[in-house]
Amino acid sequence: DIQMTQSPSSLSASVGDRVTITCRASQDISTHVAWFQQKPGKAPKSLIYAASVLQSEVPSRISGSGSKTEFTLTINNVQPEDFATYYCQHYNGYPITFGQGTRLDLK
Amino acid sequence: QVQLVESGGGVVQPGRSLRLACVASGSTIRNFGMHWVRRGPGKGLEWVAVISYDGKSAHYADSVRGRFTISRDNSKNTVYLNMNSLRPEDTATYYCAKESRYQLLYGDVDDWGQGTLVTVSS
Repeated sequence: DIQMTQSPSSLSASVGDRVTITCRASQDISTHVAWFQQKPGKAPKSLIYAASVLQSEVPSRISGSGSKTEFTLTINNVQPEDFATYYCQHYNGYPITFGQGTRLDLK
Repeated sequence: QVQLVESGGGVVQPGRSLRLACVASGSTIRNFGMHWVRRGPGKGLEWVAVISYDGKSAHYADSVRGRFTISRDNSKNTVYLNMNSLRPEDTATYYCAKESRYQLLYGDVDDWGQGTLVTVSS
């Protein structure tokens, strides 16, 4: 199975900061990576697919990049609504696996 | 955008069974694969199972294979997760999610339900 190693596990930021979350795949997965946001008590929200393509209605301050084994999620100018937990996920075959999650909270 | 609503969760004893349902509204899901994903207390997201748009193909996580069965009824716009031999470690909120690609099992999801809580405890 493909493992997704996500870091950091937690991150503190102020409104207006730029933050970066990293995911490393245990093997080459091309760009078959998605990113999700989840707030407490809420359903996950799809942010990015194909490593860098934003889902509709996702603000452009959120971006994704990477290929093969290294992937990043970047949030520029962090806004209050961005404080949440973020997950990467590969879909390069089954079983699908998620990263461990990164909790972004207010500094 | 489709709305997905899960139901069927509850408290169940270890070894017992439970059946979850995910009903879609606002749009048909008959041409899309459907997934179940769970999040246990204090844990991250864990993919559970997927079924193809026509119900002919399915894949499972190792942790549930042989105990859980995913199925669908396209006439009812509904997907099910039959869970047998439940264990305490199956305690989680279970979400259904829609595959984004038409008639493919790509693994890339776009829409999610709000989830239903399953608690396995004696």
